[in-house]
Amino acid sequence: ETGVTQTPRHLVMGMTNKKSLKCEQHLGHNAMYWYKQSAKKPLELMFVYSLEERVENNSVPSRFSPECPNSSHLFLHLHTLQPEDSALYLCASSQAGGQPQHFGDGTRLSIL
Amino acid sequence: GIQVEQSPPDLILQEGANSTLRCNFSDSVNNLQWFHQNPWGQLINLFYIPSGTKQNGRLSATTVATERYSLLYISSSQTTDSGVYFCAVEDWDAGNMLTFGGGTRLMVKP
Repeated sequence: ETGVTQTPRHLVMGMTNKKSLKCEQHLGHNAMYWYKQSAKKPLELMFVYSLEERVENNSVPSRFSPECPNSSHLFLHLHTLQPEDSALYLCASSQAGGQPQHFGDGTRLSIL
Repeated sequence: GIQVEQSPPDLILQEGANSTLRCNFSDSVNNLQWFHQNPWGQLINLFYIPSGTKQNGRLSATTVATERYSLLYISSSQTTDSGVYFCAVEDWDAGNMLTFGGGTRLMVKP
């Protein structure tokens, strides 16, 4: 699928670094999501933005900080991450109200 | 919260075989999606199917909402069907939030 674009595709960072993941959707949707997929675990919802307001953070540690400046862009700011944060981070978008979610290709994050 | 269980967890098929994947969920849902995650991690929408039956080529899906399950049928499997198949549901109270099952890891051998 090409409607949701995530950058970078791969990221290796140290525990003291600060980096940001970017997601952009071209589908005219008004809700965006961050998911985390760790090895051998189901996808876990991290954050939901609907109409640019955060509606759920699902008890995510504060070292992950989302930002949604407009309905087409979503960021995940990372700082002082831990090795267990290594995972595939997936962004999705949809029309609010129970409509299908469309996923980006993900950012594979490795914490050294 | 709602629980989503998929079976089988792992499946190995010979190319050309048919298979059925199952997704059970613990409460009423207003949205159910099937996804295929390929070996490169890309998550592709297969079906949006809160109820009824849909077909797309060799794939079809049926959701029986009253009995809280959904089935994904793969016919004449190909090696490119390999990967992990996830179902995800959104319950009435969740407000756009999908809960994913653990997935079925499928390997199709030539």
